[in-house]
Amino acid sequence: DAGITQSPRHKVTETGTPVTLRCHQTENHRYMYWYRQDPGHGLRLIHYSYGVKDTDKGEVSDGYSVSRSKTEDFLLTLESATSSQTSVYFCAISELGVTGELFFGEGSRLTVL
Amino acid sequence: GNSVTQMEGPVTLSEEAFLTINCTYTATGYPSLFWYVQYPGEGLQLLLKATKADDKGSNKGFEATYRKETTSFHLEKGSVQVSDSAVYFCALTSTGNQFYFGTGTSLTVIP
Repeated sequence: DAGITQSPRHKVTETGTPVTLRCHQTENHRYMYWYRQDPGHGLRLIHYSYGVKDTDKGEVSDGYSVSRSKTEDFLLTLESATSSQTSVYFCAISELGVTGELFFGEGSRLTVL
Repeated sequence: GNSVTQMEGPVTLSEEAFLTINCTYTATGYPSLFWYVQYPGEGLQLLLKATKADDKGSNKGFEATYRKETTSFHLEKGSVQVSDSAVYFCALTSTGNQFYFGTGTSLTVIP
């Protein structure tokens, strides 16, 4: 199994509070991704990173920011959580190349009350 | 643009039944196609992939053929087991750095 660790795995917070989810990899893969999974929507890309300090937006990036200061860590921050951000968040990693596959973490379940 | 459309679920089958989950795609360039599986409480994991037209991906009795003429990548299995109960996602990438997923199809296999 690919070495991907997400933390925390479960979090309950209140509207308006900041939240940071962490993704840590031990595979030295260049690309890292944050997805959210919601019923009826499948997986939607929030942000991704293609190297240290290099990030780009996905299709649902509003309300989220990311940072990657080291190859192995990719942080997702909700500056002021809203109930619409209640979801399961998945980190994934990949190596470069069209034939490359994604390796997923186990997910972080976030509930915003 | 890039997008994936897969059949709506949920799908319920009896053990040993034949499974088909339809997937069609729209893509720029020459995408690679994937099927991922998600077991309850877990992240997604790759089930099979195909990187060019007419390729057949296979794994654990599942198969899918990359059909460029019909822009399809349907997942099939001849005889499903209870342990195949999961959510299945079709996905593609044209660039290698952005992946596009279908909405997922939930499969339940009953003994």
